[in-house]
Amino acid sequence: DAGVIQSPRHEVTEMGQEVTLRCKPISGHNSLFWYRQTMMRGLELLIYFNNNVPIDDSGMPEDRFSAKMPNASFSTLKIQPSEPRDSAVYFCASTGGGLNQPQHFGDGTRLSIL
Amino acid sequence: GNSVTQMEGPVTLSEEAFLTINCTYTATGYPSLFWYVQYPGEGLQLLLKATKADDKGSNKGFEATYRKETTSFHLEKGSVQVSDSAVYFCALSDSNTGNQFYFGTGTSLTVIP
Repeated sequence: DAGVIQSPRHEVTEMGQEVTLRCKPISGHNSLFWYRQTMMRGLELLIYFNNNVPIDDSGMPEDRFSAKMPNASFSTLKIQPSEPRDSAVYFCASTGGGLNQPQHFGDGTRLSIL
Repeated sequence: GNSVTQMEGPVTLSEEAFLTINCTYTATGYPSLFWYVQYPGEGLQLLLKATKADDKGSNKGFEATYRKETTSFHLEKGSVQVSDSAVYFCALSDSNTGNQFYFGTGTSLTVIP
């Protein structure tokens, strides 16, 4: 079974550039989560969607960050303009309907902003 | 509110030693509890879970028991291996908040031969 698929796996870009991270959740899962992981702050929830609708974006650090889920099989996290402090590993996770279901994580995108 | 507190790391053990990683939680509803493991360069993987009080989750020699009276879900393994070296995360999902998860800060484990 295909798991959560994230692309790219690695991204290196200069500050000021737009960055787009992509995620394909597990088929049939109706909740999708974006996390950021750094050594200093650990794992932080940025935003999550239920049935393609954003439910809680209180973790999005600032207006430079935006996320969309145009359909059940695709989501993007965009940073524009990017800054060096955005360097981190970004994870996407999905979970199926019903309570007590675990989240399934992708392998992450390692983002470096120079 | 909901939160998870797990013991600070890093933890370093010799091979075949006994492992305990403490995890306590606060929740407003009836949480399900999870342990995740993260190997270097990878995403978090579900290790085990328990969905109600007194349930014991187990997988790959790891165990954790959902203790409602002490609001705890400590991870244990009787004999660790070098391959168990990873970061371990305790997490909860609360029935009152749908599918949202609350993760602990993670505990790094290194097992030396």
